[in-house]
Amino acid sequence: AQKVTQAQTEISVVEKEDVTLDCVYETRDTTYYLFWYKQPPSGELVFLIRRNSFDEQNEISGRYSWNFQKSTSSFNFTITASQVVDSAVYFCALSGNQGGKLIFGQGTELSVKP
Amino acid sequence: DVKVTQSSRYLVKRTGEKVFLECVQDMDHENMFWYRQDPGLGLRLIYFSYDVKMKEKGDIPEGYSVSREKKERFSLILESASTNQTSMYLCASSLQGSNTEAFFGQGTRLTVV
Repeated sequence: AQKVTQAQTEISVVEKEDVTLDCVYETRDTTYYLFWYKQPPSGELVFLIRRNSFDEQNEISGRYSWNFQKSTSSFNFTITASQVVDSAVYFCALSGNQGGKLIFGQGTELSVKP
Repeated sequence: DVKVTQSSRYLVKRTGEKVFLECVQDMDHENMFWYRQDPGLGLRLIYFSYDVKMKEKGDIPEGYSVSREKKERFSLILESASTNQTSMYLCASSLQGSNTEAFFGQGTRLTVV
């Protein structure tokens, strides 16, 4: 069975702080894909990044960075110098050998205060 | 601009009613999904369709059915709405395969009274 766990339900930081959102996954598939999505207050989920199981290189995009470690089955997301506009619910998701079925974690609600 | 459109943003229905939630995508995607989102539980997959007339149960299909007669449209049906189906419902679509990102609609907040 596939499972995604985001243990942090809510995180609150002050603007300009760095923050890391944790994601741990379980799968028996050898080929799989991991995703992060952002859900702002408007409600529509927005895709942030995709990673495949064979590529453990970390990725940086502006203030966002992602750390994928197969050894610990983790795909963590760090926001550097957080801003109020980063306030949202963030979801980690997993897709394996099931034709595109996407399994989500519980989500982490990030609140960035000015 | 790619779009997944859900027919209603807010819906209030009575217990026992048959409820239809409609979702349309304009990206010619093979995959379509229905999720429900509840606080603390994240997004849970109700049904998944990978082609016209094809469907697969997700993690919580009980009390729901789906219909996909055309590629662009995926309907979620609550046969007899109950109060425990009060939730936010999200539709999504993606290209065929496991490596493609999903695009989401704006969500339908359903209240069953």
